[in-house]
Amino acid sequence: EIVLTQSPGTLSLSPGEIATLSCRASQSVRSSSLAWYQQKPGQALRLLIYGASRRATGIPDRFSGSGSGTDFTLTISRLEPEDFAVYYCQQYDNSPWTFGQGTKVEIK
Amino acid sequence: EVQLLESGGGLVQPGGSLRLSCAASGFTFSIYALSWVRQAPGKGLEWVSGISDDGGTTLYGDSVKGRFTISRDNSKKTLYLQMNSLRAEDTAVYYCANKVPGAHPFDNWGQGTLVTVSS
Repeated sequence: EIVLTQSPGTLSLSPGEIATLSCRASQSVRSSSLAWYQQKPGQALRLLIYGASRRATGIPDRFSGSGSGTDFTLTISRLEPEDFAVYYCQQYDNSPWTFGQGTKVEIK
Repeated sequence: EVQLLESGGGLVQPGGSLRLSCAASGFTFSIYALSWVRQAPGKGLEWVSGISDDGGTTLYGDSVKGRFTISRDNSKKTLYLQMNSLRAEDTAVYYCANKVPGAHPFDNWGQGTLVTVSS
């Protein structure tokens, strides 16, 4: 099983700032089969990034993903008020598909 | 618009059973793989089970193997999760999610249904 470790656990930032979230895998994730999701209270989870760096349909370009192998990053270039949420990385390289424990981006 | 609507959650005693359903609309149900993912209160996401587009392949996480059964009815555009021998640690919000078959992420998620296992 691939274990994903996200850091930091919580990120306290102000609107307009840059958010950098990390996701580290316990073994190499083949073909960059790594996704990022956003979770807000009362809303369905939303796919943001897949293939480590490809934005899903309708996702603003302030969200970007990078990385390969075991180290991946989600960057939000200019935080908007609606971006304060919890973010999860997930590998879909092999079963069991696993998630990181999440990073909460909160308003400072 | 893609919609995934879970139902069937509730309060059940340890050792009991529950059947969850996920009604789908807004996409071609029969060509998508589906999964159940759960989230314990205040915790992260855990993949529970998945099923192929034709129902011929099913997968389970170790924590539910032998107790849960996933199935689907493509004519009704509905996904199911039969949960038996429930334990306190199965308490969670259960989400259904769809994905393109193969190495693809979860494209769409439902809003979840809460299962509480307690005496």
